[in-house]
Amino acid sequence: RKEVEQDPGPFNVPEGATVAFNCTYSNSASQSFFWYRQDCRKEPKLLMSVYSSGNEDGRFTAQLNRASQYISLLIRDSKLSDSATYLCVVNMDTDKLIFGTGTRLQVFP
Amino acid sequence: AAGVIQSPRHLIKEKRETATLKCYPIPRHDTVYWYQQGPGQDPQFLISFYEKMQSDKGSIPDRFSAQQFSDYHSELNMSSLELGDSALYFCASSSKNNNEQFFGPGTRLTVL
Repeated sequence: RKEVEQDPGPFNVPEGATVAFNCTYSNSASQSFFWYRQDCRKEPKLLMSVYSSGNEDGRFTAQLNRASQYISLLIRDSKLSDSATYLCVVNMDTDKLIFGTGTRLQVFP
Repeated sequence: AAGVIQSPRHLIKEKRETATLKCYPIPRHDTVYWYQQGPGQDPQFLISFYEKMQSDKGSIPDRFSAQQFSDYHSELNMSSLELGDSALYFCASSSKNNNEQFFGPGTRLTVL
């Protein structure tokens, strides 16, 4: 069983839709949580860190539930440019980031 | 804003050859990390350095070594290359008091 699990998708949504991704992690010692996006054959780009209080950055909202070991990402008003793979990432207070396998999003016109 | 720089961007080598990948972190970042991403895989942590000292070690083969220099740039040295080493190699950097890692564009290594 992978340490970080995500639904691989793909999620195919029209422009303007709201879409939510979920992620679960197995190690309760995990300390830091992130969402990255990765376009095909490009580097992972940090989208946002995820805090217990939840955080929002424009159209993106992330939530963390430590009790359920669950992280979510909500994207509102989807744009064509949001099409990418979204990686759920955890860290256990070491240098190593542990990546989920990613959820693929395709936004269509 | 300045980002992580990696060179070369593409590299083709034969089996049993050696390769050196370079990484220049974001200015004022003191920690560098190396990751390997195989086709269809998620990035796997190899090794990290803080202030020129190895900080953490992951699934790095014994054939690979790395170091960080006084200007904070890092090099990943790969010897006795195997076909299975073909992958994207990413370098990331951060400042030690902030654990957000920012990735470079990667080096695509192909071993023939």
